[in-house]
Amino acid sequence: GENVEQHPSTLSVQEGDSAVIKCTYSDSASNYFPWYKQELGKGPQLIIDIRSNVGEKKDQRIAVTLNKTAKHFSLHITETQPEDSAVYFCAAGDDKIIFGKGTRLHILP
Amino acid sequence: GAVVSQHPSWVICKSGTSVKIECRSLDFQATTMFWYRQFPKQSLMLMATSNEGSKATYEQGVEKDKFLINHASLTLSTLTVTSAHPEDSSFYICSVTPGTTTYEQYFGPGTRLTVT
Repeated sequence: GENVEQHPSTLSVQEGDSAVIKCTYSDSASNYFPWYKQELGKGPQLIIDIRSNVGEKKDQRIAVTLNKTAKHFSLHITETQPEDSAVYFCAAGDDKIIFGKGTRLHILP
Repeated sequence: GAVVSQHPSWVICKSGTSVKIECRSLDFQATTMFWYRQFPKQSLMLMATSNEGSKATYEQGVEKDKFLINHASLTLSTLTVTSAHPEDSSFYICSVTPGTTTYEQYFGPGTRLTVT
């Protein structure tokens, strides 16, 4: 089955700087790679996703890159703001997705 | 994104009792819903896939007789934790997917279950 590794587990960045979170996956059949943001006590919120036929996708301050050959994908957040502080999860799969262990992002004032 | 509700948002029950959690898709019909479990500061673990009009598909290691899933309509799936024990205390989250040709999953706000 699919196995998703996510790094780092904790990340602190200065407000205004960029944050990068990286994930690797094991199943080459996976075609869908979403990223979720979860705030304390709430359900995950889909923030961006990418499919296997696309190498990069951007939505305002958020971008995701995918390297299918290397089986890794990354989330990039630019110009970070205090409200970006949360736990971020990557996932991989298709009709069923497997989650990484999460990255706790702290935006420092 | 989709709007998904869960009820209750939190519940406390005694050991040995059963608890039912509802998941509703509010703005589209969902043939498929998913149930996840999340322990504090951990990731989401898929428990089962809930299919409207048929039996749920459970992940390996999840007891189907303990976690009863009913997907009776295109907008409602329920998870019943039977004979709950303290180790069942967790955050239970459902998600819905808009259709068979897309993979997006939209999550509910979660239900925190505490078994005393």
